[in-house]
Amino acid sequence: QEQLQQSGPGLVKPSQTLSLTCVISGDSVSNTRAAWHWVRQSPSRGLEWLGRTYYNSRWYSDYALSVRSRIAINPDTSKNHFSLDLLSVTPGDTAVYYCARAGGSDAFDIWGQGTMVTVSS
Amino acid sequence: DIQMTQSPSTLSASVGDRVTITCRASQSISTWLAWYQQKPGKAPKLLIYKASNLESGVPSRFSGSGYGTEFTLTISSLQPDDFASYYCQQYTSWTFGQGTKVVMK
Repeated sequence: QEQLQQSGPGLVKPSQTLSLTCVISGDSVSNTRAAWHWVRQSPSRGLEWLGRTYYNSRWYSDYALSVRSRIAINPDTSKNHFSLDLLSVTPGDTAVYYCARAGGSDAFDIWGQGTMVTVSS
Repeated sequence: DIQMTQSPSTLSASVGDRVTITCRASQSISTWLAWYQQKPGKAPKLLIYKASNLESGVPSRFSGSGYGTEFTLTISSLQPDDFASYYCQQYTSWTFGQGTKVVMK
């Protein structure tokens, strides 16, 4: 049974880097029929897509315009996980962060449990 | 960016009611639309993909329809477990609607 398990700190200081990891079980980060996404949710922004990574002969990543200058999503095939790095965070980045899989339907069929991240000094 | 607009924002209903939620896209997305259910403190759960396809394990009282810019999610007979928030998502560029909260009348 496919599962995504998130890990990472719940508190990040302003101007620092928010780093989260999503460990995949029951599937492979290299699955050519899947893409691996990060989404966040806050009262002010609602559900906001941040970016994705996927493998199709080589690795690709796509990012939302709103965070493109300060985000990286990277796969780790040895650990079968993918990660989110969001640089230079501000209190506006406070949100619940989710990882998710887009499977054969292209919709987000598997989600991580969510990580509440607060940006505060 | 493609904007997704849901209505209503809040819907008051009773068990057994037929419930319809509407989602409008700012430009045509063909049938690249999904519906999710979310309960407090939980991740969203996929209900419908490609506008009208029921995800495996989702009760048949949920259905979706639409094409292009107008879509609907229908719950044929609302059950106690269905009181939750519902979100549409277009997955050409992955934007979500602002959500519809279904509350008890």
